[in-house]
Formats: sequence, C-alpha cells, structure tokens
Amino acid sequence: EAGVAQSPRYKIIEKRQSVAFWCNPISGHATLYWYQQILGQGPKLLIQFQNNGVVDDSQLPKDRFSAERLKGVDSTLKIQPAKLEDSAVYLCASSLRQGIGIQYFGAGTRLSVL
Amino acid sequence: GDSVTQMEGPVTLSEEAFLTINCTYTATGYPSLFWYVQYPGEGLQLLLKATKADDKGSNKGFEATYRKETTSFHLEKGSVQVSDSAVYFCALVAGNQGGKLIFGQGTELSVKP
Repeated sequence: EAGVAQSPRYKIIEKRQSVAFWCNPISGHATLYWYQQILGQGPKLLIQFQNNGVVDDSQLPKDRFSAERLKGVDSTLKIQPAKLEDSAVYLCASSLRQGIGIQYFGAGTRLSVL
Repeated sequence: GDSVTQMEGPVTLSEEAFLTINCTYTATGYPSLFWYVQYPGEGLQLLLKATKADDKGSNKGFEATYRKETTSFHLEKGSVQVSDSAVYFCALVAGNQGGKLIFGQGTELSVKP
C-alpha cells in the first residue's frame, strides 16, 4: 500500500513570498491533517479535513494560511505572505476515520523562510 | 487545555542498555495515549498505543503502560539497538477532540555501538 505522499521535500523562499505544499493521502482515508513542526517541538495541528469538509482549523493563522481538499482526496496548504517564523516542517497525515488517533504521516516538507 | 510533557533529550545510550523515556499528560476525560517514532529522513510512524487505564501497549520490544493515577505513559525497552536511534513523540487524543493528536516536544535517542 502506498504511503502518504508530500511534495516538495524542501523549499527555500524569501519572506513575503508565497508557497504551496501538496499532499496525497493513503487511498480510502477520509481524514486528512496538516501539522506544523517547528524545530525542537512536537507537531501542532493546523487543519483537519473529513472528506472535503473542515473539521478543525482553530490553530490555522487564517490571515496568511489557507488549505483545501478538493474532491476529498489531495490537499494543498498555502502560505501567503510567508514570515520568518513560518520556517518549519509541514507534515501531512491521513487516517481511515477520525477519532482513533492512528494516523499515517508523510515525510514532510521542510520550509526555510529567509 | 490538554498537553503532553516529555523528558528532555537528547538521550545517549550504549547498545543493549535499558531505555526509559518519561511522558506525562494533562487531559480532561479519558484520552487515548500513543508513542510515535520518527527515524531520520522519514515521517512519523505509530510505535504503540493504549486506550484505557492499565492497558499496556507494546511493539518491537518497546512497552508503555497507561497509568491514570500518575497521568503517565513512560516508554521502556530492555535492550536498545543502534537502529532504535530516532526521535520519540508521546501523544494523546482526547475523546472530544475529533481525533486531533496532541504531541509532546519529542525526545531524541542516540544509541552508540
């Protein structure tokens, strides 16, 4: 079974530029999560989708971050404009259904904002 | 709010040493508890879990017991290998949070031959 795919693996941008990350979850997984992992910290949930609807986006900085999951499969996370403090690894995860805590993670996208 | 606290790293051990990584939590209700592991260059993967008090999760020689009285879920392994070198994350899912994982800060383990 193919795992969670993310791209790109690395991205370097200047502050105030925009950037987008892509995630393809495991086939059949209804729930998709985006996490932000700052160096030395644990992952923090940014947004959770159930199919193509948003379940939880309480931690998403909505003035600069946006995410969508069209057709309930692939998802993109966008930052516009980026700030220095957005430098982090962005992790995508999926699970068969919500509420069980067993999530499958992609390798992540490492973003550096200069 | 709900939170997880792990012992600070990095932890450096010799091969075949005993490992303990401490984890305590704060949560309302009765959360499920997890240990995830992140090997270099890879995504996080589930190592073990426990869903109720006194449950013991185990996998690949690692164990952790859900202790409600001390709100702890310490990770142990009797004899570590070089291949166990990774970052270990303790996490919880609260019953009313829709499956949101709340992670500790992670503990880096380095095992020397």
